[in-house]
Amino acid sequence: DIQMTQSPASLSASLGETVTIECLASEDIYSNLAWYQQKPGKSPQLLIYDASSLQDGVPSRFSGSESGTQYSLEINSLQSEDAVTYFCQQHHDYPLTFGSGTKLEIK
Amino acid sequence: EVQLQQSGAELVKPGASVKLSCKTSGYTFSNYYMSWLKQMPGQNIEWIGNIYGGNGGTGYNQKFKGKATLTVDKSSSTAYMDLSSLTSEDSAVYFCARRGLTTRVFDYWGQGVMVTVSS
Repeated sequence: DIQMTQSPASLSASLGETVTIECLASEDIYSNLAWYQQKPGKSPQLLIYDASSLQDGVPSRFSGSESGTQYSLEINSLQSEDAVTYFCQQHHDYPLTFGSGTKLEIK
Repeated sequence: EVQLQQSGAELVKPGASVKLSCKTSGYTFSNYYMSWLKQMPGQNIEWIGNIYGGNGGTGYNQKFKGKATLTVDKSSSTAYMDLSSLTSEDSAVYFCARRGLTTRVFDYWGQGVMVTVSS
């Protein structure tokens, strides 16, 4: 199975700042990486797929990038509603696997 | 509007089975895969498997083979997951989620259902 190592586990930042969350794949996943946002008690919502493609309706302050097997989610101009949990998911091969999540808090 | 409506919370005894449902609307059920996923409290998300709405073809995570059985009812655009021989390790929130047409990502999710295994 492909392992997704997500970091950091938690992150604290101020409103208006830019934050970056990372996921390292245990092997090449050929840009097949998605990011989800999960609010407490709710189901995850797709933000980005194919490493950098923004899902319809997602604000442009969210962006994704890659460098080798390292993938990043960047959130610009941090807003209060962004203070939730984020997961990465590789969609290259079965079984589909997720990172362990990053909880983002506002300072 | 695409909607996935899951059945209500379940409290089941160890060793028992439970059947969860996911009723869909707003899209052509037979054209998409439906996946099921597990999330234990405060923990990672695990992919259980998926089923094609058109012909009921399935694919499972090896970890959940023998534990989960996926089925569909095309006439009602509903997906089901049977969980058998339940233990405390099966206590979790279970989500159904529609898999995208061209990518293995989940573009619409059900609200999730809490399954609690307790005597």
